[in-house]
Amino acid sequence: AQKITQTQPGMFVQEKEAVTLDCTYDTSDPSYGLFWYKQPSSGEMIFLIYQGSYDQQNATEGRYSLNFQKARKSANLVISASQLGDSAMYFCAMREGEDNQGGKLIFGQGTELSVKP
Amino acid sequence: DAMVIQNPRYQVTQFGKPVTLSCSQTLNHNVMYWYQQKSSQAPKLLFHYYDKDFNNEADTPDNFQSRRPNTSFCFLDIRSPGLGDAAMYLCATSYTRQGGNQPQHFGDGTRLSIL
Repeated sequence: AQKITQTQPGMFVQEKEAVTLDCTYDTSDPSYGLFWYKQPSSGEMIFLIYQGSYDQQNATEGRYSLNFQKARKSANLVISASQLGDSAMYFCAMREGEDNQGGKLIFGQGTELSVKP
Repeated sequence: DAMVIQNPRYQVTQFGKPVTLSCSQTLNHNVMYWYQQKSSQAPKLLFHYYDKDFNNEADTPDNFQSRRPNTSFCFLDIRSPGLGDAAMYLCATSYTRQGGNQPQHFGDGTRLSIL
Protein backbone atom coordinates (compact mmCIF):
# COMPACT_ATOMS: atom_id res chain seq x y z
CA ALA A 1 0.00 0.00 0.00
CA GLN A 2 1.14 3.52 -0.72
CA LYS A 3 2.46 5.19 2.39
CA ILE A 4 2.57 8.67 0.88
CA THR A 5 0.12 9.77 -1.79
CA GLN A 6 0.32 12.92 -3.85
CA THR A 7 -2.69 12.91 -6.13
CA GLN A 8 -1.73 15.92 -8.27
CA PRO A 9 0.93 15.01 -10.83
CA GLY A 10 0.92 18.59 -12.11
CA MET A 11 -0.42 21.94 -10.97
CA PHE A 12 -0.55 25.42 -12.47
CA VAL A 13 -0.79 28.62 -10.47
CA GLN A 14 -0.77 32.27 -11.43
CA GLU A 15 2.11 34.33 -10.09
CA LYS A 16 1.30 36.00 -6.74
CA GLU A 17 -1.56 33.61 -6.00
CA ALA A 18 -1.60 30.94 -3.33
CA VAL A 19 -1.51 27.22 -4.14
CA THR A 20 -2.13 24.06 -2.14
CA LEU A 21 -0.29 20.83 -2.87
CA ASP A 22 -1.98 17.75 -1.47
CA CYS A 23 -0.36 14.95 0.52
CA THR A 24 -1.97 12.08 2.39
CA TYR A 25 -0.12 9.45 4.34
CA ASP A 26 -0.69 6.09 5.91
CA THR A 27 0.98 4.86 9.07
CA SER A 28 0.07 3.05 12.27
CA ASP A 29 3.08 4.44 14.12
CA PRO A 30 2.04 7.15 16.62
CA SER A 31 5.36 8.92 16.14
CA TYR A 32 6.23 10.19 12.69
CA GLY A 33 7.47 13.24 10.87
CA LEU A 34 6.26 14.81 7.65
CA PHE A 35 8.54 16.78 5.33
CA TRP A 36 8.17 18.76 2.15
CA TYR A 37 11.04 19.10 -0.30
CA LYS A 38 11.40 21.15 -3.47
CA GLN A 39 13.36 19.79 -6.41
CA PRO A 40 14.10 22.26 -9.23
CA SER A 41 15.04 20.98 -12.68
CA SER A 42 18.71 21.16 -11.68
CA GLY A 43 18.11 18.20 -9.37
CA GLU A 44 18.98 19.26 -5.83
CA MET A 45 16.47 18.53 -3.08
CA ILE A 46 15.71 21.55 -0.93
CA PHE A 47 14.09 21.12 2.47
CA LEU A 48 11.07 23.40 2.93
CA ILE A 49 9.10 22.55 6.04
CA TYR A 50 8.57 19.90 8.74
CA GLN A 51 5.57 18.78 10.83
CA GLY A 52 5.86 16.32 13.71
CA SER A 53 3.01 14.00 14.60
CA TYR A 54 2.81 15.44 18.11
CA ASP A 55 2.97 19.07 17.05
CA GLN A 56 -0.18 20.92 18.07
CA GLN A 57 0.22 23.80 15.65
CA ASN A 58 0.63 23.84 11.90
CA ALA A 59 4.20 24.48 10.80
CA THR A 60 5.06 27.70 8.94
CA GLU A 61 8.28 28.81 7.23
CA GLY A 62 8.05 32.12 5.42
CA ARG A 63 5.71 31.67 2.45
CA TYR A 64 5.30 27.96 3.19
CA SER A 65 2.77 26.57 5.61
CA LEU A 66 1.64 23.04 6.28
CA ASN A 67 -2.05 22.30 6.73
CA PHE A 68 -1.82 19.29 9.05
CA GLN A 69 -5.04 17.36 9.60
CA LYS A 70 -4.02 14.38 11.71
CA ALA A 71 -7.41 12.62 11.79
CA ARG A 72 -7.60 12.75 8.00
CA LYS A 73 -3.88 11.85 7.67
CA SER A 74 -3.21 14.77 5.40
CA ALA A 75 -0.32 17.22 5.32
CA ASN A 76 -0.95 19.69 2.53
CA LEU A 77 1.64 22.31 1.61
CA VAL A 78 0.39 25.84 1.07
CA ILE A 79 2.58 28.29 -0.84
CA SER A 80 1.42 31.87 -0.56
CA ALA A 81 2.20 34.61 -3.10
CA SER A 82 3.68 32.24 -5.70
CA GLN A 83 6.82 33.33 -7.49
CA LEU A 84 8.24 32.20 -10.84
CA GLY A 85 11.10 30.58 -8.95
CA ASP A 86 8.64 28.28 -7.20
CA SER A 87 8.25 26.27 -10.40
CA ALA A 88 9.66 22.85 -9.48
CA MET A 89 8.77 19.34 -8.40
CA TYR A 90 7.51 19.12 -4.82
CA PHE A 91 7.83 15.96 -2.76
CA CYS A 92 6.03 15.07 0.41
CA ALA A 93 7.92 12.60 2.59
CA MET A 94 7.35 10.75 5.85
CA ARG A 95 9.69 9.41 8.49
CA GLU A 96 8.17 6.72 10.68
CA GLY A 97 9.27 6.20 14.24
CA GLU A 98 11.49 8.25 16.46
CA ASP A 99 14.23 10.37 14.97
CA ASN A 100 16.95 8.31 16.68
CA GLN A 101 16.15 5.23 14.61
CA GLY A 102 17.98 6.43 11.51
CA GLY A 103 15.31 8.54 9.90
CA LYS A 104 14.42 6.67 6.70
CA LEU A 105 12.26 8.87 4.46
CA ILE A 106 9.46 7.54 2.29
CA PHE A 107 8.64 9.87 -0.59
CA GLY A 108 5.45 10.49 -2.50
CA GLN A 109 5.47 10.56 -6.29
CA GLY A 110 5.71 14.34 -6.40
CA THR A 111 3.71 17.23 -7.81
CA GLU A 112 5.12 19.33 -10.64
CA LEU A 113 4.22 22.96 -9.97
CA SER A 114 4.31 25.53 -12.76
CA VAL A 115 3.93 29.21 -11.92
CA LYS A 116 2.58 31.32 -14.77
CA PRO A 117 3.50 35.00 -15.14
CA ASP B 1 29.03 27.25 4.38
CA ALA B 2 28.42 23.82 5.80
CA MET B 3 27.04 21.56 3.14
CA VAL B 4 26.75 18.20 1.41
CA ILE B 5 28.95 17.90 -1.67
CA GLN B 6 28.63 15.27 -4.35
CA ASN B 7 31.23 14.59 -6.99
CA PRO B 8 31.08 14.46 -9.85
CA ARG B 9 27.89 16.25 -10.87
CA TYR B 10 27.68 14.19 -14.05
CA GLN B 11 29.22 10.76 -14.55
CA VAL B 12 29.30 8.69 -17.70
CA THR B 13 30.43 5.09 -17.56
CA GLN B 14 30.34 2.06 -19.80
CA PHE B 15 28.06 -0.88 -19.36
CA GLY B 16 29.66 -3.23 -16.84
CA LYS B 17 32.48 -0.88 -15.86
CA PRO B 18 32.66 -0.23 -12.09
CA VAL B 19 31.96 3.31 -11.00
CA THR B 20 32.23 5.14 -7.68
CA LEU B 21 30.25 8.18 -6.66
CA SER B 22 31.41 10.27 -3.73
CA CYS B 23 29.73 12.35 -1.08
CA SER B 24 31.28 14.55 1.58
CA GLN B 25 29.75 16.65 4.30
CA THR B 26 30.89 19.45 6.56
CA LEU B 27 27.80 19.26 8.78
CA ASN B 28 29.26 16.60 11.11
CA HIS B 29 26.03 14.63 10.79
CA ASN B 30 26.01 11.08 12.08
CA VAL B 31 23.76 9.60 9.39
CA MET B 32 24.44 9.48 5.65
CA TYR B 33 22.04 8.16 3.02
CA TRP B 34 22.16 7.19 -0.63
CA TYR B 35 19.06 7.51 -2.77
CA GLN B 36 18.46 6.52 -6.38
CA GLN B 37 16.06 8.68 -8.37
CA LYS B 38 15.03 7.65 -11.86
CA SER B 39 13.44 10.07 -14.28
CA SER B 40 10.04 11.37 -13.14
CA GLN B 41 10.09 9.16 -10.05
CA ALA B 42 10.46 9.69 -6.33
CA PRO B 43 13.83 9.11 -4.67
CA LYS B 44 14.30 5.55 -3.44
CA LEU B 45 16.54 4.79 -0.49
CA LEU B 46 19.33 2.33 -1.27
CA PHE B 47 21.09 2.24 2.12
CA HIS B 48 22.27 4.41 4.94
CA TYR B 49 25.00 4.59 7.55
CA TYR B 50 24.08 5.36 11.13
CA ASP B 51 27.53 6.29 12.37
CA LYS B 52 29.52 3.22 11.29
CA ASP B 53 26.53 0.89 11.14
CA PHE B 54 25.50 0.01 7.59
CA ASN B 55 21.79 -0.45 6.89
CA ASN B 56 20.86 -1.94 3.53
CA GLU B 57 17.34 -1.74 2.14
CA ALA B 58 15.87 -5.17 1.42
CA ASP B 59 15.37 -4.51 -2.29
CA THR B 60 18.72 -2.86 -3.01
CA PRO B 61 20.55 -4.97 -5.64
CA ASP B 62 23.84 -6.60 -4.64
CA ASN B 63 25.45 -4.61 -7.44
CA PHE B 64 25.27 -1.54 -5.18
CA GLN B 65 27.65 -1.20 -2.26
CA SER B 66 28.76 1.60 0.02
CA ARG B 67 31.70 2.62 2.15
CA ARG B 68 31.99 5.20 4.87
CA PRO B 69 35.66 5.52 5.86
CA ASN B 70 34.99 8.41 8.25
CA THR B 71 32.24 10.76 9.39
CA SER B 72 32.71 13.15 6.48
CA PHE B 73 32.83 10.84 3.49
CA CYS B 74 30.56 8.19 2.01
CA PHE B 75 30.93 6.37 -1.31
CA LEU B 76 28.52 4.55 -3.56
CA ASP B 77 30.07 1.75 -5.61
CA ILE B 78 28.27 0.19 -8.54
CA ARG B 79 30.17 -2.95 -9.38
CA SER B 80 28.75 -3.70 -12.83
CA PRO B 81 26.44 -0.93 -14.01
CA GLY B 82 23.59 -1.91 -16.26
CA LEU B 83 21.45 0.33 -18.44
CA GLY B 84 18.77 0.29 -15.75
CA ASP B 85 21.13 1.94 -13.29
CA ALA B 86 21.11 5.22 -15.18
CA ALA B 87 19.63 7.67 -12.70
CA MET B 88 20.26 10.60 -10.41
CA TYR B 89 22.01 9.50 -7.21
CA LEU B 90 21.37 11.68 -4.20
CA CYS B 91 23.39 11.73 -1.02
CA ALA B 92 21.79 13.07 2.13
CA THR B 93 22.81 13.57 5.74
CA SER B 94 21.01 14.10 8.99
CA TYR B 95 21.81 14.47 12.65
CA THR B 96 19.54 12.20 14.60
CA ARG B 97 18.95 12.33 18.32
CA GLN B 98 16.13 11.26 20.60
CA GLY B 99 13.11 13.48 20.16
CA GLY B 100 14.72 15.46 17.39
CA ASN B 101 13.02 16.62 14.23
CA GLN B 102 15.93 16.98 11.91
CA PRO B 103 15.44 17.11 8.15
CA GLN B 104 17.74 15.34 5.76
CA HIS B 105 20.10 17.66 3.92
CA PHE B 106 20.74 16.68 0.32
CA GLY B 107 23.63 17.23 -2.02
CA ASP B 108 23.12 18.38 -5.60
CA GLY B 109 23.19 14.82 -6.87
CA THR B 110 25.25 12.92 -9.43
CA ARG B 111 23.52 12.14 -12.69
CA LEU B 112 24.83 8.80 -13.94
CA SER B 113 24.64 7.80 -17.59
CA ILE B 114 25.50 4.33 -18.91
CA LEU B 115 26.82 3.87 -22.45
